[in-house]
Amino acid sequence: NAGVMQNPRHLVRRRGQEARLRCSPMKGHSHVYWYRQLPEEGLKFMVYLQKENIIDESGMPKERFSAEFPKEGPSILRIQQVVRGDSAAYFCASSLGHLQETQYFGPGTRLLVL
Amino acid sequence: AQSVTQLGSHVSVSEGALVLLRCNYSSSVPPYLFWYVQYPNQGLQLLLKYTSAATLVKGINGFEAEFKKSETSFHLTKPSAHMSDAAEYFCAVTSTGNQFYFGTGTSLTVIP
Repeated sequence: NAGVMQNPRHLVRRRGQEARLRCSPMKGHSHVYWYRQLPEEGLKFMVYLQKENIIDESGMPKERFSAEFPKEGPSILRIQQVVRGDSAAYFCASSLGHLQETQYFGPGTRLLVL
Repeated sequence: AQSVTQLGSHVSVSEGALVLLRCNYSSSVPPYLFWYVQYPNQGLQLLLKYTSAATLVKGINGFEAEFKKSETSFHLTKPSAHMSDAAEYFCAVTSTGNQFYFGTGTSLTVIP
């Protein structure tokens, strides 16, 4: 009865490198959400995906950030050419359905950009 | 547009005392409201949620919250604080389910 899995838990990158964050939703969940948490701040919505589709990416920066949720495998949040301002905790959540369904959160990936 | 305001970024209470964490929301449509708790270096765990049923919602670990439309509030309470309640608490609102709008969090300290 595994919950939402995220890996890696900690990721260190140098400026200009790429960061790939993975999220495996709870079993049976087909809705995935990504959030970013900056120090001393709440979570900010980034993107909402269903299998093979991006439903809402209104919270995603226009450049360098992309997300996918393929038919098979985990959801991936990809950050290209990372900068120090990308250092944050990135949380993935999944839900069984949509509209008021509870979102279950993973433990997060803490990205540090040197 | 929707938003959540959590008054008081840090709250300290004595063990056994009442816990009151404040949350006010802004929403142009009927909201769905949530309280989550976050322990250090962990993800968020759902405490309770309001989805237009009973206005007084009971959650886990003895927490409860009351939805007050007239005050646009959804404050979280617990009659008697335990040391294990020390954590960060987040209030969140949604209407479409696409996005959850989170407050900036309230850090609860419990003094022995």
